[in-house]
Amino acid sequence: DSGVTQTPKHLITATGQRVTLRCSPRSGDLSVYWYQQSLDQGLQFLIQYYNGEERAKGNILERFSAQQFPDLHSELNLSSLELGDSALYFCASSVAALGPGLDEQFFGPGTRLTVL
Amino acid sequence: SQQGEEDPQALSIQEGENATMNCSYKTSINNLQWYRQNSGRGLVHLILIRSNEREKHSGRLRVTLDTSKKSSSLLITASRAADTASYFCATAPSGSSNTGKLIFGQGTTLQVKP
Repeated sequence: DSGVTQTPKHLITATGQRVTLRCSPRSGDLSVYWYQQSLDQGLQFLIQYYNGEERAKGNILERFSAQQFPDLHSELNLSSLELGDSALYFCASSVAALGPGLDEQFFGPGTRLTVL
Repeated sequence: SQQGEEDPQALSIQEGENATMNCSYKTSINNLQWYRQNSGRGLVHLILIRSNEREKHSGRLRVTLDTSKKSSSLLITASRAADTASYFCATAPSGSSNTGKLIFGQGTTLQVKP
């Protein structure tokens, strides 16, 4: 158990719908990262938050958005869902005490999204 | 885009043998991390090696890093059936790309036969 929690574990929805994925980082971790894992693209970085502020964006679609709340939990919102959005979505967290990119990232168990 | 390339893509060995996986990357890095993933489940953090380190050990794991060749290797000694999983290397780019995000390779699928 990494200490990072994600809900829900599984999500099945229809095209055009909107879903929200939730992540609670490890206690004390200030940075939260979202990644998408699909068969064709592999593991791709989506977006990062540090202490409530957006820090970096990767291959994140405009239909997707995220935020980090004052208690440091984060949510990833996916809207106008398409079949191709079906994937495993991971949240990871790190302390980032010494600065970005200098410490371990611990991953949650993921949310498996299926768009029908 | 994928920064890392892992080699081999798949590896099948007998229990008790050693398994070696290699990772190459393209840009300068702060660190390189190895993860294990069991069949579509979560990513388990194995080890982090910093750019100024050449070798690191953790139990049956040995990781090397050669920044001049932009490559790393993961050695699992005395493998067990429970080591069967996919293994990923992930790099944290340095310089202007330094945000802490990780760039993953495609992974090596390891099968350890009892």
